[in-house]
Parts: sequence; structure tokens; C-alpha cells
Amino acid sequence: QKEVEQNSGPLSVPEGAIASLNCTYSDRGSQSFFWYRQYSGKSPELIMSIYSNGDKEDGRFTAQLNKASQYVSLLIRDSQPSDSATYLCAVQLNTGGFKTIFGAGTRLFVKA
Amino acid sequence: EAQVTQNPRYLITVTGKKLTVTCSQNMNHEYMSWYRQDPGLGLRQIYYSMNVEVTDKGDVPEGYKVSRKEKRNFPLILESPSPNQTSLYFCASSTSGVREQFFGPGTRLTVL
Repeated sequence: QKEVEQNSGPLSVPEGAIASLNCTYSDRGSQSFFWYRQYSGKSPELIMSIYSNGDKEDGRFTAQLNKASQYVSLLIRDSQPSDSATYLCAVQLNTGGFKTIFGAGTRLFVKA
Repeated sequence: EAQVTQNPRYLITVTGKKLTVTCSQNMNHEYMSWYRQDPGLGLRQIYYSMNVEVTDKGDVPEGYKVSRKEKRNFPLILESPSPNQTSLYFCASSTSGVREQFFGPGTRLTVL
């Protein structure tokens, strides 16, 4: 069974701090990695995608991938109350198809 | 406006009464997928389709059917719904060259 593990949280950080969200995956052949944000009662929306080892930055968000350790992380700098949501880590398997495994999500609270 | 639409948004039904949840996208995407989301379990992939007439099972296909006769539509069929299929369902789509998924607004299904 392919797995994607996340700490369910809640993770609580003060406004302006860095929020660090972590994800591990079991399928060593996975090629594509994603972070989605989901507000309560809404559908997931893409925050970041990353395909190669290292860091990828987009505004206040940085995704980090370490394939050797099978580890993906998302850093949110200068956290805002509007960042309060559930963050879903997703991994697409290297099957040549479109099979995607999601983690259960980490709830983030940013306190004003 | 580029979007994924689902209908109905809310449905309450009874055990054994066949139902169909429709999904349509206007972005000419090749890939489409269905997920269910349950508390503590995150998003689990039911079926996905890589193009017209090409479908494959995700992690939890039992009790569901799909068809992809047109590129824009990917209906989810529950031939004989049971209470354990009570869940929040999301349809998603993606282009072939980019694996990030766009999600529909969700369908909340209750099977009594």
C-alpha cells in the first residue's frame, strides 16, 4: 500500500512566523509532488508543485524535496491568518498513469 | 471562466438507489479523476481517466463506476449506494503535460 504521511496537527503559529509542514512518502519511485491548500468546506487548490530535489520558492511559499529521505516539506514565511487552512501533501506515483496519493492533511492555525 | 463543475452539490439518497454525479471541465484537459474525502483519511482516489475511453482504478474503486465518452465529462456512477459511501466527492482535471490538478466544488453525498 502506497502511503503519504502527514502530521494531522493542528499546527499553531503566531502571525508573521514561519510555518513548517512536513510529509513523508513510501513509494521511492514517485516523481511528482504537490502541496494543496484546503479551506474548510472548500475544494483543494494548488499551492506548490516540485519535481526535483532541492528547494522551490514562490512568494512566501517554499517547497523542499529530498528524494533520498522520501521527504517533502512546505515552508510558509510571514504567516498570515488567511493562511489558516488544511494543507494536503500529494504524490503522483511513477506508474506512467495518473494515480495520486494524498496525505490526510495538516491543519494550520495562524494566530493574529 | 476555466472551471470544473459538479452536479449535484448535495444529495441525500437511500441504500440501493442508483445515482450519477456529473463532472464537466471546460479546459480541454486530458486527465480527469474522482476522489472521496473522509475525516481523518484525506482524499482517496476512486478512478482516473487519462483520455477518452481510457480509465483506471485508483485506491478505492469498489462500488463505483465511471465512463469517459467525451473529453469534457467524467461521470461517477453508484449502481447500488450503501451508507459507507456517504462522503464528500471531488472531481479534478489536469492537462497531459502538467500534473497539477484543478478541483471541482465537491458533492456531499449522504446514503441512508
